[in-house]
Parts: sequence; C-alpha cells; structure tokens
Amino acid sequence: RKEVEQDPGPFNVPEGATVAFNCTYSNSASQSFFWYRQDCRKEPKLLMSVYSSGNEDGRFTAQLNRASQYISLLIRDSKLSDSATYLCVVNSFQKLVFGTGTRLLVSP
Amino acid sequence: NAGVTQTPKFQVLKTGQSMTLQCAQDMNHEYMSWYRQDPGMGLRLIHYSVGAGITDQGEVPNGYNVSRSTTEDFPLRLLSAAPSQTSVYFCASSYSTSGKNIQYFGAGTRLSVL
Repeated sequence: RKEVEQDPGPFNVPEGATVAFNCTYSNSASQSFFWYRQDCRKEPKLLMSVYSSGNEDGRFTAQLNRASQYISLLIRDSKLSDSATYLCVVNSFQKLVFGTGTRLLVSP
Repeated sequence: NAGVTQTPKFQVLKTGQSMTLQCAQDMNHEYMSWYRQDPGMGLRLIHYSVGAGITDQGEVPNGYNVSRSTTEDFPLRLLSAAPSQTSVYFCASSYSTSGKNIQYFGAGTRLSVL
C-alpha cells in the first residue's frame, strides 16, 4: 500500500463547478499536511497547508481528519486556470511523501 | 531573488555515461532534497541534506551520489547512467516553520538515458 493515495482522475468539470479531492495516508504519526499544485511539465508549488480545524484560502478549502487519516481539498467556482494536477503531501519525520496527484480539467 | 535554480533543463545521455545535475538556492535554507518524478509514481525522494556537510539517503538512492559542501549548492551525480534513470528530476530547498517543512522546487531537469 502506498503511504499517500489519491484518485488520479482526471476530474472533468465545467467552469463554475465545485469539485472535491480526497487523499488518504497510512502513517498515523504524520505531522503536517499540504496540497501542492503542479502544472503540466512544471515544478510543484505549494497551494496550501492543511490544518486539523480546516482552513480556507479564497475558493479553496482544505480539511484534515486525523482519525480517518484522510485529507480533502474543495475548490469552489472552478476557473479554467485551476486545470492542473493537485498533489497531496504528508510530512513524516522531516520527509515529505507525495501522492501521485489528481488531475483536474476545467472546461468552458 | 532566484529561489532554486537547476541546470541543465534538458539532458540526453548514453548508457554508462556520468553527469552532475546542479542545484543552487539563494534563500539560505538548511534543508535540500532531490526527487525524481515518473508517470504514475509521484515524486520519490532520492537524497536529502539537513545542512552543509550532512547528507542522507531517501527512498530511491541507488545509482546517485550527492554532496553538500555549502549551504547554497546540492549537486546530484549519476555515476553510470542507465535507461531506468530516465525521469524528471526536481531539486527542492525548504525551511521549517511551526513544525511544518515548506518546500520550494526548482524548474526540473528532464533526463533521457538511451
């Protein structure tokens, strides 16, 4: 079993839609959690950290459920520019473990 | 402020050749790391360093060497290239805040081994 698992997608949604991604992790001792965004043939970039209490950054909301060991990302009012691969990342003992990513395609 | 700079951006090697991928950062980060990214595999950690003079192995270290003589530079050496090392390589540097390790990535090196 992979340490961090994500549905690879792709998720095809129209502009303005709400879309949610989930991610599960296996190491219960994991300390911190992130969502990164990766555009085609580019480097990953930090989208947001994920806190137990849930956190929001504009149209993006991240949630962490430590008991069930899953992380979610909700994108509201999708834009064409949101099309990318979203990587779930878990920090375990100062090492980052990356999921394989979920691909999002937003169409006009 | 350049951030993390990787060179070269593209490289083609023949099996058995050696080469060094360069990585430099100007953010004074102590922590640096090398990843490879393959289709369907996600990013996998090759080697990492928590400071000058200190390096350690990641998940897939075989066939690669690293050194960290300065805070700024963290080169990755391929000793004898193999087709299995065809991949996209990312260097990252990071700092810790409130227990979180925030990583910044270079633009990547696309390597093909024939």
